[in-house]
Parts: sequence; structure tokens; C-alpha cells
Amino acid sequence: RKEVEQDPGPFNVPEGATVAFNCTYSNSASQSFFWYRQDCRKEPKLLMSVYSSGNEDGRFTAQLNRASQYISLLIRDSKLSDSATYLCVVNLPAGNKLTFGGGTRVLVKP
Amino acid sequence: GAGVSQSPSNKVTEKGKDVELRCDPISGHTALYWYRQSLGQGLEFLIYFQGNSAPDKSGLPSDRFSAERTGESVSTLTIQRTQQEDSAVYLCASSAQATYNEQFFGPGTRLTVL
Repeated sequence: RKEVEQDPGPFNVPEGATVAFNCTYSNSASQSFFWYRQDCRKEPKLLMSVYSSGNEDGRFTAQLNRASQYISLLIRDSKLSDSATYLCVVNLPAGNKLTFGGGTRVLVKP
Repeated sequence: GAGVSQSPSNKVTEKGKDVELRCDPISGHTALYWYRQSLGQGLEFLIYFQGNSAPDKSGLPSDRFSAERTGESVSTLTIQRTQQEDSAVYLCASSAQATYNEQFFGPGTRLTVL
């Protein structure tokens, strides 16, 4: 089993719709969680950190479910510019480094 | 301020040649990471430097790959006797400390091995 797993997609989303997807992690001792966004042929950039209580940033909501070991990202009122690959990132205590999931591709269409 | 920079931006080499990729992290960032990303694939961790600690080399795919970092500044990733399967984008990232802070990525070096 991979340490961090994501549905690769693509999620085809009509403009204005809501889309949500999850990321599962295998190490229950993980403490830090992030969502990064990567546009085609560009470097990843931080979208948001994920806090235990859940957090919201505009149209984006991230949640952490420790019991089931997954984090989620929800995008409301999708814009064409939201089309990207969304990378889940989890810290693994062993070695104290961050591990990236394979990414979930989202395509927002008019 | 300046972000993470990488050079060269593109490198085309012949199979069997050695290549050296450079990363200049954000000043003051103690943690530095190297990843590679093949076309359409996720990020593959290669190596991680944190301050003066021994680097975590667990992601290096073979002994043809090595990396060094001078103090808390520039890092070089060296690939010896390149193979076609080494073709990928090599990304460097730095963060203020360990894994609790945002990683800032450089634009990457696109390596093509002919």
C-alpha cells in the first residue's frame, strides 16, 4: 500500500459546480497535512494547510479525518482557472519528511 | 524576495554522460528537498537535507544518483552515466524548517537523455 494515495481522476466538473476528493494516508502518526496545486508544466504551489478542526479559504474547504486516515478538499463554485492537479502532502514521522500523493486531476469545463 | 532557483532550466544529454543540476534555495531555509517528476506522474522523493543532519537519501533510485549541499545554501544533484529512464523534471524545494512549513518549489530542470 502506498503511503499517500489519491484518485488520479480526472474529475470533469461543470463550471459553477462543487467537486470534492479525498486523499488517504497509511501512517497514523502523521501530523502535518497540506494540499498543493500544480498547473500543467509548472511547479507545485501550496494551496492550503489542513488543520485538525478543518479550515476554509474562500471557495476551498479542507478537512482531516484522523479516525479514517484521510484528508479531503472541496471546491465550491468551480472556476475554469481551478483546472489543475491537486497534490496531497503528508508528513511521515519516520525521517521527518513530507510525502506527496500522486495527485488528483481536476478539469473544469464551461 | 528571491524564490528557489534552479539551473539549467533544460538539459539535453547523451546516454552515458554525467549531469549536474543546481538548486539555490530561499535564503535562511534550512530544509532542502529534491524530487523528480516524469511526464504525467506524481512527485518522486529523492533526497532531503535538514540543517547539519545527515541527509535522508532513501529516495535515490540508484548509486548513479548523488547530491550535496553546502551548509544551508546551494545544492547539486549529480547523475552519473545517465540512462534514458532518467529523463524527467527534477524539482528542488526548500522550507524554513523541517516539515511543518510550506515547501517552496523551484521551476525545475527538464532533463532529456537521448
